Amino acid sequence: KAGVTQTPRYLIKTRGQQVTLSCSPISGHRSVSWYQQTPGQGLQFLFEYFSETQRNKGNFPGRFSGRQFSNSRSEMNVSTLELGDSALYLCASSADRLAFTDTQYFGPGTRLTVL
Amino acid sequence: AQRVTQPEKLLSVFKGAPVELKCNYSYSGSPELFWYVQYSRQRLQLLLRHISRESIKGFTADLNKGETSFHLKKPFAQEEDSAMYYCALSGGATNKLIFGTGTLLAVQP
Repeated sequence: KAGVTQTPRYLIKTRGQQVTLSCSPISGHRSVSWYQQTPGQGLQFLFEYFSETQRNKGNFPGRFSGRQFSNSRSEMNVSTLELGDSALYLCASSADRLAFTDTQYFGPGTRLTVL
Repeated sequence: AQRVTQPEKLLSVFKGAPVELKCNYSYSGSPELFWYVQYSRQRLQLLLRHISRESIKGFTADLNKGETSFHLKKPFAQEEDSAMYYCALSGGATNKLIFGTGTLLAVQP
């Protein structure tokens, strides 16, 4: 099976702009989660989508949003970019058997730089 | 508060030496614990999880609820074990993972 793919791999934006990142999960996986990775804060959970619905949410401001499509592909959007949003954004998918926490399969990440 | 603590940013050992990567957690309830690993230029991937109680690449980890720890151990380190190791927890039946800050393991020849 092809792994999780994320596009684009690199992005450079300026403060105040908005950005959309895309994630295609492994075929058959219905859950997609997003994480932000920075040197200072490490890996932090943003949100999870399942069946086009946000199921879990982390502690991020409303400028961070996401959605999931019927084919399980997901996008996340960050509006009014701030310098502190510079990070590696990771997407992870899982089969979501939900009897327990399923194995998360991570993508390569999108490196966002805000100038 | 839910928290995962990995006290060591860097652990350097020689090949053949034992390895122990420390992980302590704070969680009110029964968490599931994981170790994820990221090798150079590769994706973050699951190494092992406490409920499976299996040994992967010679690594084991035991959940100690009394000490709220989930340390990762390997009796004899190999150079190919050099990587970034992250301890993580979830509340169970959820895909939300809380990660520690990671420990870089460097195995010297």
